[in-house]
Amino acid sequence: RKEVEQDPGPFNVPEGATVAFNCTYSNSASQSFFWYRQDCRKEPKLLMSVYSSGNEDGRFTAQLNRASQYISLLIRDSKLSDSATYLCVVNNPDKAAGNKLTFGGGTRVLVKP
Amino acid sequence: GAGVSQSPRYKVAKRGQDVALRCDPISGHVSLFWYQQALGQGPEFLTYFQNEAQLDKSGLPSDRFFAERPEGSVSTLKIQRTQQEDSAVYLCASSLGFRADTYGYTFGSGTRLTVV
Repeated sequence: RKEVEQDPGPFNVPEGATVAFNCTYSNSASQSFFWYRQDCRKEPKLLMSVYSSGNEDGRFTAQLNRASQYISLLIRDSKLSDSATYLCVVNNPDKAAGNKLTFGGGTRVLVKP
Repeated sequence: GAGVSQSPRYKVAKRGQDVALRCDPISGHVSLFWYQQALGQGPEFLTYFQNEAQLDKSGLPSDRFFAERPEGSVSTLKIQRTQQEDSAVYLCASSLGFRADTYGYTFGSGTRLTVV
């Protein structure tokens, strides 16, 4: 089983609609969670961290469910510019593993007019 | 510099050729990471440096892959005797502190390696 799993999509979303998708992680000891955004042929960029109580950044809302080991991202009022691949990222808390972050395979979102 | 700089942006190598990929992290960033991203996949961890020390190389796929960061700044990822399955984008990331899960990563634009 992969450490971080995501539905690859694509999620086809009408402009202005709401879209939400999840990511599951396997290591119950993980403490840090992020969503990164990656545009086609570009590098990943940090979208937002995910906090235990859930957090919002403009039209983006992230939630963490530790019991079920998943995090979610919700995008409200989708814009054409939100079209991208969204990468779920989890830290590896094993000291021997150093300091690395583990990426999911990404969920592709296509916002259409 | 202002960001993480990687060179070359594109590299075409003949199978069996050796290649060297360079990463120039953000000045003062302690942690440096190399990731490999195949088409349609998420980035996969290769190796991690804290200053000049290579603390984790568990992700390097074979002994043909070698990374170094001799002075704790610029890093080079070397691939010997390239194979077609090495074709991917190689991403370098740096982080300000020792804990990337606190500070997050800043990625470079990557090197797209194509082995023919």
